[in-house]
Amino acid sequence: KNEVEQSPQNLTAQEGEFITINCSYSVGISALHWLQQHPGGGIVSLFMLSSGKKKHGRLIATINIQEKHSSLHITASHPRDSAVYICAVNKGDGGSQGNLIFGKGTKLSVKP
Amino acid sequence: DVKVTQSSRYLVKRTGEKVFLECVQDMDHENMFWYRQDPGLGLRLIYFSYDVKMKEKGDIPEGYSVSREKKERFSLILESASTNQTSMYLCASSPSGLAGPSFYNEQFFGPGTRLTVL
Repeated sequence: KNEVEQSPQNLTAQEGEFITINCSYSVGISALHWLQQHPGGGIVSLFMLSSGKKKHGRLIATINIQEKHSSLHITASHPRDSAVYICAVNKGDGGSQGNLIFGKGTKLSVKP
Repeated sequence: DVKVTQSSRYLVKRTGEKVFLECVQDMDHENMFWYRQDPGLGLRLIYFSYDVKMKEKGDIPEGYSVSREKKERFSLILESASTNQTSMYLCASSPSGLAGPSFYNEQFFGPGTRLTVL
């Protein structure tokens, strides 16, 4: 079983819809990351969080440490949000060198 | 802005060739990483380095080696390329944590190199 699981694997939405992508993990972590990968390969970091909630524009990330679960929400989705969204965690108490464990990603397509 | 660059976006090599993938970062980061990304498998760590001349094996080091002679540059070497090494290769860098190694480690990724081995 993977230590980081994402759902759904694929998601198609209409422009304007509210989108939720889920991430569950089975290990102790020091931080959780949400990454975005556009076609062509480049990956950018959207959020890094260890508790609570963060918001950036139309993106909101939440984490529940007790339940070992995080969600990424996109409000008023737009075709330019189409990308693969990847959840990753820093395992343990921060004593490692920063190694990330990655989920397999959620491919989002937003139709106009 | 942090910039991580990779020497090639696309590369085609033949089986048995020695292949060098270069990664350079301009933010004086201590940590550098090489990943490969394959459909259905996500990103997997090949090697990482937390200092010049230091290297550690990741999850899938077989068939690869690395070199870090300077802080800003981390090279991935395929000694004898094979078809199962056809993949997208991504380099990343991150600073060390303030309270020892990696308490918070946002990683900054390069654009990736899509390698095809024929």
